[in-house]
Amino acid sequence: AQSVTQPDARVTVSEGASLQLRCKYSYSGTPYLFWYVQYPRQGLQLLLKYYSGDPVVQGVNGFEAEFSKSNSSFHLRKASVHWSDSAVYFCALSGDNNNRIFFGDGTQLVVKP
Amino acid sequence: GGIITQTPKFLIGQEGQKLTLKCQQNFNHDTMYWYRQDSGKGLRLIYYSITENDLQKGDLSEGYDASREKKSSFSLTVTSAQKNEMAVFLCASSMGQGGYAEQFFGPGTRLTVL
Repeated sequence: AQSVTQPDARVTVSEGASLQLRCKYSYSGTPYLFWYVQYPRQGLQLLLKYYSGDPVVQGVNGFEAEFSKSNSSFHLRKASVHWSDSAVYFCALSGDNNNRIFFGDGTQLVVKP
Repeated sequence: GGIITQTPKFLIGQEGQKLTLKCQQNFNHDTMYWYRQDSGKGLRLIYYSITENDLQKGDLSEGYDASREKKSSFSLTVTSAQKNEMAVFLCASSMGQGGYAEQFFGPGTRLTVL
């Protein structure tokens, strides 16, 4: 079975502060991991993805994520957030033996001015 | 680049009514998906299709039908709308038939059932 857990439903940070959004996954095979962002009244957009290799992957708009096999995690980070980063962030998982993606419940990020 | 178009943007129906949502993509992608997103929740997979005329059930297929008559289009039917049902239905597509491929999403159809 595959699953994704985002333990924080909502995270509030001040503009300019650093950010970490947590993601834990459960899968016994080789995981393919994604972070998507959803702005209000829009569909999801891909921020970054991890297939293999360097565990730290860079994405758009200064976001990066680090894969940890030992911790079954794929946390998203940003060094300095901007008010425009306020959105819902979804962590997602696929496996090497199927053709669908499993999404977490999302974390709503609120950036205070 | 390409785009995914979902029609209508807003759909209001009556309890028990059969309602159809449409999705078109011009990426020439093989696989298309329908998800339901309830307020404040994640995405739940309803149906997906890896090629024309193929249909695969997701986790939430009961109460829905789907149709993929052309590679570029994927429609979803709510067979009997439930009162007080309110959700956003998202269509997505991806290249190839593997889950490792990036999914591209449409803007969604917002359903309200009176």
